[in-house]
Amino acid sequence: AQKITQTQPGMFVQEKEAVTLDCTYDTSDPSYGLFWYKQPSSGEMIFLIYQGSYDQQNATEGRYSLNFQKARKSANLVISASQLGDSAMYFCAMRPTGNQFYFGTGTSLTVIP
Amino acid sequence: EAGVAQSPRYKIIEKRQSVAFWCNPISGHATLYWYQQILGQGPKLLIQFQNNGVVDDSQLPKDRFSAERLKGVDSTLKIQPAKLEDSAVYLCASSPARGTDTGELFFGEGSRLTVL
Repeated sequence: AQKITQTQPGMFVQEKEAVTLDCTYDTSDPSYGLFWYKQPSSGEMIFLIYQGSYDQQNATEGRYSLNFQKARKSANLVISASQLGDSAMYFCAMRPTGNQFYFGTGTSLTVIP
Repeated sequence: EAGVAQSPRYKIIEKRQSVAFWCNPISGHATLYWYQQILGQGPKLLIQFQNNGVVDDSQLPKDRFSAERLKGVDSTLKIQPAKLEDSAVYLCASSPARGTDTGELFFGEGSRLTVL
């Protein structure tokens, strides 16, 4: 079975601090991709970062990094130096073999000034 | 490069009425997806097209929902008759062929449906 789990419904972080959003996944496919999306209150889903299952290094994109622990089946998103504009819903997603995407239930992040 | 276009952005209807949403994916993207996102939840796949063929519609309530993708480009999602529980944002997304960069989904801005 393909499954994505996000156990943090809501998170708070002080501006300029780092925050980690948790994501665990379950798949039996040897090849898969892991994605994080941001959804601000406007509703559009914005792609943040991608990690391939065979990638040896953790992905980084600016202030976003993905802490990929394959043995634990986790793909946590780390946001460094949080900004007020980071307040949004964050979704973890997985794309196993084929073109289907599986989404978690999301984490609501609030950045406190 | 133009993004995924969706319309209308907002729609309010009464239960038992019908509604249609339109989506134009990014040019060249063969795969098109319709997701339903109920407030506070993650996107749920309704239907996935590869070109103009259906790949997965297992979670589409076929007694009331229908979708088509004529000519393998733009797509229409219809709900008839609508129920209160259909109130949600309907997200259209497209993706390039797997193996092209990361193959991530590109989303439109969504169509927010309110059923009264």
